[in-house]
Amino acid sequence: SQQGEEDPQALSIQEGENATMNCSYKTSINNLQWYRQNSGRGLVHLILIRSNEREKHSGRLRVTLDTSKKSSSLLITASRAADTASYFCATDPRTQGGSEKLVFGKGTKLTVNP
Amino acid sequence: AAGVIQSPRHLIKEKRETATLKCYPIPRHDTVYWYQQGPGQDPQFLISFYEKMQSDKGSIPDRFSAQQFSDYHSELNMSSLELGDSALYFCASSLDLRLAGELFFGEGSRLTVL
Repeated sequence: SQQGEEDPQALSIQEGENATMNCSYKTSINNLQWYRQNSGRGLVHLILIRSNEREKHSGRLRVTLDTSKKSSSLLITASRAADTASYFCATDPRTQGGSEKLVFGKGTKLTVNP
Repeated sequence: AAGVIQSPRHLIKEKRETATLKCYPIPRHDTVYWYQQGPGQDPQFLISFYEKMQSDKGSIPDRFSAQQFSDYHSELNMSSLELGDSALYFCASSLDLRLAGELFFGEGSRLTVL
């Protein structure tokens, strides 16, 4: 079953604006990660937030995690045309004996217009 | 820095044929994952290997098999190909996901089944 659900599915903004993407998940997790994917290319890791963390920053990226609501958000500030890509959240489900995989959400397709 | 290498990048096959995809993980990474991504879809976990042993299995069809060799490279074998197998196949590697680290993805192999 799908672990992560993201919204919005698509987001179109102007350069310089902020972009916020949300992710919800179903099971307990060890950590949550965000990945970026340019069309037809491989996924690139952006940021990892552990289950005992509430907020994390990396450059223009800000990630929050609310384990009580099983949700996370990714904020990209001062967006640029080069930020145009699909963004996926991925969870590391907490399973007996340790988890072995990341489960990806459906992704948000972000378009930043120059 | 060395990245995950996948080959071939593009592959065209007929229905009922067989295909083999190869993955060379980042040196010293001991865990390899295979994901399948259909058009406009999120990556779906297929199978993973840790220290050359299968560590987890996802939605991998019985027609597919995979293994990790002594040099840590991995191969995904797909037989009796169907039209629905057309997708991007990603390999990723990590230094043991149980340490809650990021995955490093290759650029993917695009399989087209005609």
